[in-house]
Amino acid sequence: QVRLVQSGAEVKKPGSSVKVSCKASGGTFSTYPISWVRQAPGRGPEWVGRIVPSLGITHYAQMFQGRVALTADTSTSTAYMELISLNSADTAVYYCARVITGNLFSYYMDVWGEGTTVIVS
Amino acid sequence: DIQMTQFPSSLSASVGDKVTITCRSSTDISTFLNWYLHRPGEAPKLLIYGASTLQSGVPIRFRGRGSGTDFTLTINSLQPGDFATYYCQQSYSVPLGTFGGGTKVEIK
Repeated sequence: QVRLVQSGAEVKKPGSSVKVSCKASGGTFSTYPISWVRQAPGRGPEWVGRIVPSLGITHYAQMFQGRVALTADTSTSTAYMELISLNSADTAVYYCARVITGNLFSYYMDVWGEGTTVIVS
Repeated sequence: DIQMTQFPSSLSASVGDKVTITCRSSTDISTFLNWYLHRPGEAPKLLIYGASTLQSGVPIRFRGRGSGTDFTLTINSLQPGDFATYYCQQSYSVPLGTFGGGTKVEIK
C-alpha cells in the first residue's frame, strides 16, 4: 500500500521561499501523477499543480504560475513543491496526493500525504 | 474556471442520522465529480469518484449520486468517525480540479 510522507512544518518570512517534500513508499511512484493541494485557514482546498514524475511534465494553476515549481526525483521516490515570493496569503497546509486517471472518471486523488503546515510571518 | 458550490456549509446531526450534502457546479461536468472526507489533522480521504463509485474500503453507508451540475453525497446512519468536513471536487477540467467550499458535519 503506497504511503506519502511529507516534510515537517515551516515558518518563513515574507518574500522568502519554501520547498516541501513528499516521499512515496510501499508502491510504484514514477508512473502516477502527483498533485499538490493547499488549504488555507477557513478556506476550501485549492489545487496548486501536478507533476508526472517519470516524464517531468508539470501543470500549474494559473494563480501560482511563475511562483511555484514542482519537481520529482524518481531515484528516491520523492516529489517536491517549491513556492517563492511568499506572502501571508500562502499560509496554509500543503498536501501532496497520488492521482489515478481513467477514461470513465477522469481522475481522482486516492492517497494523500499528511500535510505540511507553512506559516508565513 | 468551473466553480463548485456546496451546501449547507455546516450541519448538526446525531449518530444514526441520515444526512445529505449537495454540490453544484457552474457548468455541466457529466459525472466527473469526487467526494473527500477530511478530519482535522489528518490526510483527506477519498470516498467516492465518478460521482457514484465507492472507493475501495469505504463503507456502503456513503452514497454519491448525480450528473451534469447537481450532485449529492448521502451518509446513512452517521457513525462517530463521520463527523468531519466533506468536500466535492470536479475532475472535468484536467488537470485543474476545483473543490467546493466544504460541508462540516458536527455532532448535535
